[in-house]
Amino acid sequence: DVKVTQSSRYLVKRTGEKVFLECVQDMDHENMFWYRQDPGLGLRLIYFSYDVKMKEKGDIPEGYSVSREKKERFSLILESASTNQTSMYLCASSQLRDRGLRETQYFGPGTRLLVL
Amino acid sequence: DQQVKQNSPSLSVQEGRISILNCDYTNSMFDYFLWYKKYPAEGPTFLISISSIKDKNEDGRFTVFLNKSAKHLSLHIVPSQPGDSAVYFCAARKDSNYQLIWGAGTKLIIKP
Repeated sequence: DVKVTQSSRYLVKRTGEKVFLECVQDMDHENMFWYRQDPGLGLRLIYFSYDVKMKEKGDIPEGYSVSREKKERFSLILESASTNQTSMYLCASSQLRDRGLRETQYFGPGTRLLVL
Repeated sequence: DQQVKQNSPSLSVQEGRISILNCDYTNSMFDYFLWYKKYPAEGPTFLISISSIKDKNEDGRFTVFLNKSAKHLSLHIVPSQPGDSAVYFCAARKDSNYQLIWGAGTKLIIKP
């Protein structure tokens, strides 16, 4: 079974703090994703990575950065946390066997971040 | 601009009856569609998918129907069970892109 783990389930931070959210997958997946989920908005893609040291902006990258130094680990960084970044953050991974085939994304349990 | 829309925020269905969740999309370049299920305090889990070359895909109690001309897909759950109570997300993908475009979700409540 694919396992995607996230470093924290709940996190409380203060405005202006630097926040690190870690995600690790154990299935040697090439692709990794960071989403945030807000009520009524569904999942919105922040950043994704299709290889080590590669990253691509998603729909809402502003205020975030990412790091992928190892294949299994994808980190989301909030450089200076703000109250509008209070949200549920979900990490996902998928394996792209071939560009012509379809991959399924597997999700971690999520990190609920509260910025005060 | 929401390319994938789930217009019903919630749906309540009697146990044993059919649940029908709907999803509309605007981009004709989408060629693969997925349904995910999410319980509170857990990440979404993959449920069922359909390629645009098909109009139906079935897996046990779950069937997804795709109407390309109407840009509409639906998820049928029959019979509905209490464990089906969850938020259901519809997602779509363009062939050339790794990204999934997600709907806002529909909360399904199965009444005993």
